[in-house]
Amino acid sequence: DAGVTQSPTHLIKTRGQQVTLRCSPKSGHDTVSWYQQALGQGPQFIFQYYEEEERQRGNFPDRFSGHQFPNYSSELNVNALLLGDSALYLCASSRQGASETQYFGPGTRLLVL
Amino acid sequence: QQQVKQSPQSLIVQKGGIPIINCAYENTAFDYFPWYQQFPGKGPALLIAIRPDVSEKKEGRFTISFNKSAKQFSLHIMDSQPGDSATYFCAADYSGGGADGLTFGKGTHLIIQP
Repeated sequence: DAGVTQSPTHLIKTRGQQVTLRCSPKSGHDTVSWYQQALGQGPQFIFQYYEEEERQRGNFPDRFSGHQFPNYSSELNVNALLLGDSALYLCASSRQGASETQYFGPGTRLLVL
Repeated sequence: QQQVKQSPQSLIVQKGGIPIINCAYENTAFDYFPWYQQFPGKGPALLIAIRPDVSEKKEGRFTISFNKSAKQFSLHIMDSQPGDSATYFCAADYSGGGADGLTFGKGTHLIIQP
């Protein structure tokens, strides 16, 4: 049973560029959440997708957007990258009806120069 | 506004000891409290979770104690081993998923010395 997978594992971008991160949920899960984890901090909720729609959103600017596909996989897009966007981006999956029980992927480490 | 406060920030315990990590929450609407373990370069792994209808839950060497009136919960690791050395995060949420997803504490860096 495959767990949550994310790609790429590492990414280096420069300020002002755009980036797309990808996530495949755990088998049987239909809900995907994205989190940003700065160095030495706990993860912070960005948004959650279910049925290809954004259900919930944390305190992140519109530069952060996402998408969910019919197979439940998801993308996180960040436009106009800032140095402060450097972080570990985590994807978590869950089942609708128990969406608080979230399983995390290994993350994508983004460095913005 | 930090809704889940975690302490201590770091903790060193000898092998076989019982490290205790504490968390306090503010939002009384929270009703799901998980603990996650994270190794360097990895994503957080769900360890154990509790709901307010019980005061204690055990899974293997991990125990959560929950005090609803004090709005506090803690993680105890019995017979700790060097392999338990990791960063531990407490979190809180609402059943069915809340408006802000999981709210995490800032983490505790635990070292178990051989």
